Amino acid sequence: GAVVSQHPSRVICKSGTSVKIECRSLDFQATTMFWYRQFPKQSLMLMATSNEGSKATYEQGVEKDKFLINHASLTLSTLTVTSAHPEDSSFYICSAADRESGNTIYFGEGSWLTVV
Amino acid sequence: QQQVKQSPQSLIVQKGGISIINCAYENTAFDYFPWYQQFPGKGPALLIAIRPDVSEKKEGRFTISFNKSAKQFSLHIMDSQPGDSATYFCAASTYGNTPLVFGKGTRLSVIA
Repeated sequence: GAVVSQHPSRVICKSGTSVKIECRSLDFQATTMFWYRQFPKQSLMLMATSNEGSKATYEQGVEKDKFLINHASLTLSTLTVTSAHPEDSSFYICSAADRESGNTIYFGEGSWLTVV
Repeated sequence: QQQVKQSPQSLIVQKGGISIINCAYENTAFDYFPWYQQFPGKGPALLIAIRPDVSEKKEGRFTISFNKSAKQFSLHIMDSQPGDSATYFCAASTYGNTPLVFGKGTRLSVIA
């Protein structure tokens, strides 16, 4: 299947700093990417939908000024957690829709964020 | 309101047995139903998916059964193996670049 690469896989940052997570579709173009957050033993919670060249659409309750999403190209979307706090510690996962295969959605490996 | 209901929450199956996970949806506009497998600390991996124009799809040991009138679909894992132990999520979406709506997941344990 198609490959979605996420980087970094693990990151530890100090409270108050910002962290950027990258999501790349390696072998297909993705006009749309999605960002999820997952707490232990829970399902995936959609944070936002990222469309190439336009502003992201955030789900209700997700602070757009805290979770900055940029989709600058057809293969790259970034999530920046600004002024991170310990409660932002979580598993962040991106996914991308492969329009060439009927919009099949593939997920990245996820990024563990720990804010200390 | 949960749009995709998944059951059971956890499942223990003997090696070689059949694992069955069920999902029900509410939105009749859904037309894409994938199943994902997730191991601890990893992102979900697409396992198999079905569209409503067919009632069943089989790939190796994995089969999706789809009942459009009942708005239900299920995953069957034949000859379950310990390596199948993972969390399985059903999902649904409408055609186009719309996000997936996930079930709450089923933790499958296959014991020898």
